[in-house]
Amino acid sequence: SQKIEQNSEALNIQEGKTATLTCNYTNYSPAYLQWYRQDPGRGPVFLLLIRENEKEKRKERLKVTFDTTLKQSLFHITASQPADSATYLCAPHNQAGTALIFGKGTTLSVSS
Amino acid sequence: EPEVTQTPSHQVTQMGQEVILRCVPISNHLYFYWYRQILGQKVEFLVSFYNNEISEKSEIFDDQFSVERPDGSNFTLKIRSTKLEDSAMYFCASSDGYRGSTDTQYFGPGTRLTVL
Repeated sequence: SQKIEQNSEALNIQEGKTATLTCNYTNYSPAYLQWYRQDPGRGPVFLLLIRENEKEKRKERLKVTFDTTLKQSLFHITASQPADSATYLCAPHNQAGTALIFGKGTTLSVSS
Repeated sequence: EPEVTQTPSHQVTQMGQEVILRCVPISNHLYFYWYRQILGQKVEFLVSFYNNEISEKSEIFDDQFSVERPDGSNFTLKIRSTKLEDSAMYFCASSDGYRGSTDTQYFGPGTRLTVL
């Protein structure tokens, strides 16, 4: 069955540092991979999408890489801020209109 | 910016009662979804809906669950006879689903269902 692993459940870093979150998947050949942010008691919010033929995608302080050989995506937040503290979810995906299968997520805490 | 809305934000019910959770998806979207998240656990897919019928459902979505699009704007999830283990946050989502779309799904703020 399809499996998604996010490398750690919790990541604590200091403000200004770069946070790197890992998403590994098995039994999948996703056409693209999405990253979402979830704050406590709120719904997931879409951040970035990267396609299988893209190595890297950037949006402001966010960067995502996608290695289909390693079956892995890395999500980076540079110059992290306390407001970046949240749970980050990855969702490899194949086809429009189908279920998003999320990993458990990594909870990032940025301290000032 | 268009957003998915859900009502109520919190619903408390007695075990065995029926509940209806309501969602208004983004207006030009074609696919609609329900997900749930039990406290402390991951977001889990329940069902997707397209062209007035269920297009996909998970093992969680058993006979006690049903979905409906009663009009052009609302999308509802009904739980016929609630159980204690149905207590969770329920999220509605929608996506445009157009040909070639990457199907980014936009989530609502959720309804917290508490079954006593």
